[in-house]
Amino acid sequence: ETGVTQTPRHLVMGMTNKKSLKCEQHLGHNAMYWYKQSAKKPLELMFVYNFKEQTENNSVPSRFSPECPNSSHLFLHLHTLQPEDSALYLCASSQIAGGPGTDTQYFGPGTRLTVL
Amino acid sequence: AQSVAQPEDQVNVAEGNPLTVKCTYSVSGNPYLFWYVQYPNRGLQFLLKYITGDNLVKGSYGFEAEFNKSQTSFHLKKPSALVSDSALYFCAVRDGGTGFQKLVFGTGTRLLVSP
Repeated sequence: ETGVTQTPRHLVMGMTNKKSLKCEQHLGHNAMYWYKQSAKKPLELMFVYNFKEQTENNSVPSRFSPECPNSSHLFLHLHTLQPEDSALYLCASSQIAGGPGTDTQYFGPGTRLTVL
Repeated sequence: AQSVAQPEDQVNVAEGNPLTVKCTYSVSGNPYLFWYVQYPNRGLQFLLKYITGDNLVKGSYGFEAEFNKSQTSFHLKKPSALVSDSALYFCAVRDGGTGFQKLVFGTGTRLLVSP
């Protein structure tokens, strides 16, 4: 798990707070992802950045705002969240545009978010 | 659009016995198939993948998976289970096109290995 790190590991916030999740990858990859993992549901892809440009936004509410300043760092800015946003937020990275077999996603340990 | 089904919420196995975790998929093109494992309070760890070639793929920790095109399945197997294998297992599929293709995950199967 040292390839992709996430901070903080746990976060409790009120609905009026603003906080940010941070992800850093040390694998030299060119793509980074945010996923939401809720109990009893498949992983939900939220955002994808390829070469620092956002290429996917799967109808995520605007209270989630991603930022990718470079190919190694990814942030998820949170504001005015709802209790149903409580979940494990996972960051991943991969190397896109290589040959077959290069696009394996590697995940960080996640941030457990609780919205009160 | 691609999809993945993991028909079992939980699989119970005694230590030392063989285990199988089932996965079936649907994809329009050639499938790229993956298995991940998740231990409590951890992220997903990559186990193995099938891209092309031999239908039997070997991965980490003694796990293997068999790609069956006719049955659109990619079941995860291990000849002899360990208590430490107890975890949540996810199957995932993406279309084998170039560039970005969304990786779609199943709902996960909890494996419980009893001593």
